[in-house]
Parts: sequence; structure tokens; C-alpha cells
Amino acid sequence: EVQLVESGGGLVQPGGSLRLSCAASGFPSGYNFDDFAMHWVRQAPGKGLEWVASISWNSETITYADSVKGRFTISRDNAENSLNLQMNSLRPDDMALYYCIKDAGSGQTSYYALDVWGQGTTVIVSS
Amino acid sequence: DIQMTQSPPSLSASVGDRVTIICRASQSISRYVNWYQQKPGKAPQFLIYAATSLQRGVPSRFSGSGSGTDFTLTINNLQPEDFATYYCQYSYKTLAFGGGTKIDIK
Repeated sequence: EVQLVESGGGLVQPGGSLRLSCAASGFPSGYNFDDFAMHWVRQAPGKGLEWVASISWNSETITYADSVKGRFTISRDNAENSLNLQMNSLRPDDMALYYCIKDAGSGQTSYYALDVWGQGTTVIVSS
Repeated sequence: DIQMTQSPPSLSASVGDRVTIICRASQSISRYVNWYQQKPGKAPQFLIYAATSLQRGVPSRFSGSGSGTDFTLTINNLQPEDFATYYCQYSYKTLAFGGGTKIDIK
């Protein structure tokens, strides 16, 4: 069973930076981390889900929500089975629970469907 | 950009009821819609993909329909564990979520 464990959340001042990481494990036989696109989605306290960024299996296709474009950078290290989100110029409205998510696509096709979610890591932006 | 609008934002229902949630896209999106269930304090769970296909392990009382701009999630014979918030999601080369529909106990 695929497991995703996020880390790196915490308290940061407005304008500060934070780097989130996600460790992936438990891929079924015949599949590896680098077979799947990955995504970050966030959820502000008491609010709905907001897509943040996506990255294809080989990092060639990367997309961002307009709200984070130019400030956040998604990346992955397939050798280490890890996904990252570098967050710069953080604002109070970036405060949320950030989820790392595996794409439901099989092989190296991105479906932009989210079938395995981590438990999330909390980012608090406050002075 | 594609906008996804869910209705109603919340509804009250009883065990055994049939519940329908609507999701409307701002332009035609074929069948590129998925549905998720989220319980308080938990990560969302993947329910339905490509508008109508049930994810493995999801009970058959859940069903999805629609294409183009209008989509529905239907829950037949509502069970106690179904009281949760449901989200639709657009899924073609990018992602966009609806605002969510919370189902609570009448």
C-alpha cells in the first residue's frame, strides 16, 4: 500500500520561506515512485481544497495554481522517492494544511486524479 | 480557467435517504470529473473518476453521472459513515475543485 508522509511544516513569518517534503513508500510490485505524477493540494482551516502544484513523473511537466506561481517551486527526487515544495514569499493566506498526493494514472500517464493522500503538514504564516 | 461550482453547499439528510450533489463546470469538460469524500480531521478519499467510474473499494451506493458541464454524485441508502464533505474536481492537465458539499444528519 502506497504511503505518503509529509514533513517540513511549521510557523513562519510573512515573507519567509519553508520547504515541504513528502516521502513515498509501499509501491506495488512492478511500480516505482517515478511511474507517477505527484501533486500538492492545500486546505486552509475550515475551508475547501485548493490545488497548489503538479509535477509529472520525469519533472518535464510542472504546473502551478495562479495563487502560488512565481513563489512556490515543486520538485521531485526519484532516486530518493521524495516530492518537495519550496515556498517563498509566504503570505498569511498561504496558511493551510498541505497534502502530498499521488496521481491515479498508471505507468507514466498523468490522470490528474488523486488516489493516495498523505495526512498533511501544517503551515502557519504569522508574525 | 475552469471553475467548478457545487450545490448545495450543505444539506441535511437521514440514514436511508437518497442524496444528490451537483457540480457545474464553467465550460464543457467532457467527463474529466472526479469526486472525493472528506471526513473531519482526515485526508480526502477518492470515490469516483471520469465522472462515472467507481474507485476500487467504494460501496456501490455511490454513483456519478454527467458529461459536458453538469455532473452529479448520488448516494443511495445513505449510511452513518457517509456524513461528510464531498468535493468534485476537474482533471484535465490541471486541477480545480468545487467548493464542497457538507452532508450532516437531519
